[in-house]
Amino acid sequence: DQQVKQNSPSLSVQEGRISILNCDYTNSMFDYFLWYKKYPAEGPTFLISISSIKDKNEDGRFTVFLNKSAKHLSLHIVPSQPGDSAVYFCAASGPGGKLIFGQGTELSVKP
Amino acid sequence: KAGVTQTPRYLIKTRGQQVTLSCSPISGHRSVSWYQQTPGQGLQFLFEYFSETQRNKGNFPGRFSGRQFSNSRSEMNVSTLELGDSALYLCASSLSVLSSGANVLTFGAGSRLTVL
Repeated sequence: DQQVKQNSPSLSVQEGRISILNCDYTNSMFDYFLWYKKYPAEGPTFLISISSIKDKNEDGRFTVFLNKSAKHLSLHIVPSQPGDSAVYFCAASGPGGKLIFGQGTELSVKP
Repeated sequence: KAGVTQTPRYLIKTRGQQVTLSCSPISGHRSVSWYQQTPGQGLQFLFEYFSETQRNKGNFPGRFSGRQFSNSRSEMNVSTLELGDSALYLCASSLSVLSSGANVLTFGAGSRLTVL
């Protein structure tokens, strides 16, 4: 039972263009969503988050959008840089605080 | 301040053996969570400890267990290892899991377990 799904295992983008990573969830009790970035041989690091009472949160080049009715969130990276190449995980939490992660999307930004 | 420290970083075991992994959280963090990462499955939640008590548990068999000590350090144990247990085991700490939205996890680099 995958409550958080990232249906694209990989994404390739040209440097300078926009990267859009998508995530879907099934549990309507989730009220907080996060994105993590993971480089090889390192643990995931927190990137950006959004509460369910908002539909957008922006931090520099990173923006997360939340569509509650569609149970969908997305991460936009503009402009994309080669250093952004990593695996991106979305995660969701609800009552109790347990974080549920998606399968991850490997982003490759080509110079 | 020091991050989340996991030991050992790499280990190789054979089927049927057992393994213990260790995690030292960030100083002041009282919550420790464990995740298993395998290709295609993402990060699967194992369990979470707060103040030496297991507060949340994922859908893993009883061969997977954990504990937390009074200094918040945590260990997880896998008994009767199977080939499918080969994975990266990640530990994460946070200040608290009591309130949804405040639980930003800080991860360690993980322990890479290979079962032969």
